[in-house]
Amino acid sequence: KQEVTQIPAALSVPEGENLVLNCSFTDSAIYNLQWFRQDPGKGLTSLLLIQSSQREQTSGRLNASLDKSSGRSTLYIAASQPGDSATYLCLCDMRFGAGTRLTVKP
Amino acid sequence: DTAVSQTPKYLVTQMGNDKSIKCEQNLGHDTMYWYKQDSKKFLKIMFSYNNKELIINETVPNRFSPKSPDKAHLNLHINSLELGDSAVYFCASSQDLVGAEFFGPGTRLTVL
Repeated sequence: KQEVTQIPAALSVPEGENLVLNCSFTDSAIYNLQWFRQDPGKGLTSLLLIQSSQREQTSGRLNASLDKSSGRSTLYIAASQPGDSATYLCLCDMRFGAGTRLTVKP
Repeated sequence: DTAVSQTPKYLVTQMGNDKSIKCEQNLGHDTMYWYKQDSKKFLKIMFSYNNKELIINETVPNRFSPKSPDKAHLNLHINSLELGDSAVYFCASSQDLVGAEFFGPGTRLTVL
């Protein structure tokens, strides 16, 4: 059964900094990997989806990469803003990581 | 034109009651899911249906019974509610088992 881990559990950075969130999974035979953000008390907003055959996806200041052989995905956020503050979740074949709670300080 | 909708948004009920949460998607997807987000905010898959057939049941108690009358709907019925059932329940859908998942807004269930 797929197990998904996210590191770090929490991250606090000053505005403008570039940052990387990590997601690791145990079974490399994945269908896809999807990154979400969740604001407190809110639902899930899909950010990026990487299919099994892809290596990365980009949307605006966000870039997600996938390395199946090492069982890892990273979410890169460039020039972070206070509005990026949220919990970021990694979903791999119906299995969620515990999330990384990001705080971007003005 | 909401893609994945859930009703109700909030549900407060007493222990021992039976309740249902409804989910509908208008995306024409074949696969639907129920996830539970507990008090520690951890999201866990409960059920997955593909073309109205149950394909995943993650050791969920028998008190939880999903029902899929058609591909666009996946309802969750819970019998004999317990305090530990208090959580936010999210419905989701995807084109198939490998497609991107689209989530509903969630239903916050509180059992008193």
